[in-house]
Amino acid sequence: GQNIDQPTEMTATEGAIVQINCTYQTSGFNGLFWYQQHAGEAPTFLSYNVLDGLEEKGRFSSFLSRSKGYSYLLLKELQMKDSASYLCAGIDSNYQLIWGAGTKLIIKP
Amino acid sequence: SQTIHQWPATLVQPVGSPLSLECTVEGTSNPNLYWYRQAAGRGLQLLFYSVGIGQISSEVPQNLSASRPQDRQFILSSKKLLLSDSGFYLCAWSDGTRNTGELFFGEGSRLTVL
Repeated sequence: GQNIDQPTEMTATEGAIVQINCTYQTSGFNGLFWYQQHAGEAPTFLSYNVLDGLEEKGRFSSFLSRSKGYSYLLLKELQMKDSASYLCAGIDSNYQLIWGAGTKLIIKP
Repeated sequence: SQTIHQWPATLVQPVGSPLSLECTVEGTSNPNLYWYRQAAGRGLQLLFYSVGIGQISSEVPQNLSASRPQDRQFILSSKKLLLSDSGFYLCAWSDGTRNTGELFFGEGSRLTVL
């Protein structure tokens, strides 16, 4: 079956660094997305990885290891506005998204 | 540029009443369209997707239905709502030509069934 696993909740301190992990099992693989979702709002695109390695975009970076079925989202210099849920989604062979349940990130001052 | 809009943003409905949520996309042609539901504290559950007018695929059995009367219009309906239909409903589109899988979401519609 297809499955995406990520932690339910994480807590971090303002100004610190946090890494949110995601493991995936999909029928075929055409990449992996990370989305950010603030409470009560729609998800917004953060990153897309299809090749192994690290993609950096400002304070956010995303890493992919296809051989391990593993990805992480790295958030640096955390700000209070980064408090949100972070959704990992794998793309299967039919280009359908398989969604994780999301990781709720709580930032404390 | 492409935009997606869904409405209403919030609604409170009694059990057994009908439902209609509407979604429209502008600035693109032949998009793939999706309806998702997100229960409180849960992940996104794909309800329906469509690759063209009149073409609807249902992912889960339920008392909901979807229709695509026009290329950029997607409607989610129910004849009789259940308590379990409460949730946050999201319409989304993806590029049907490039087919990268990236989704662009509408603002969401929060449904409370009492």
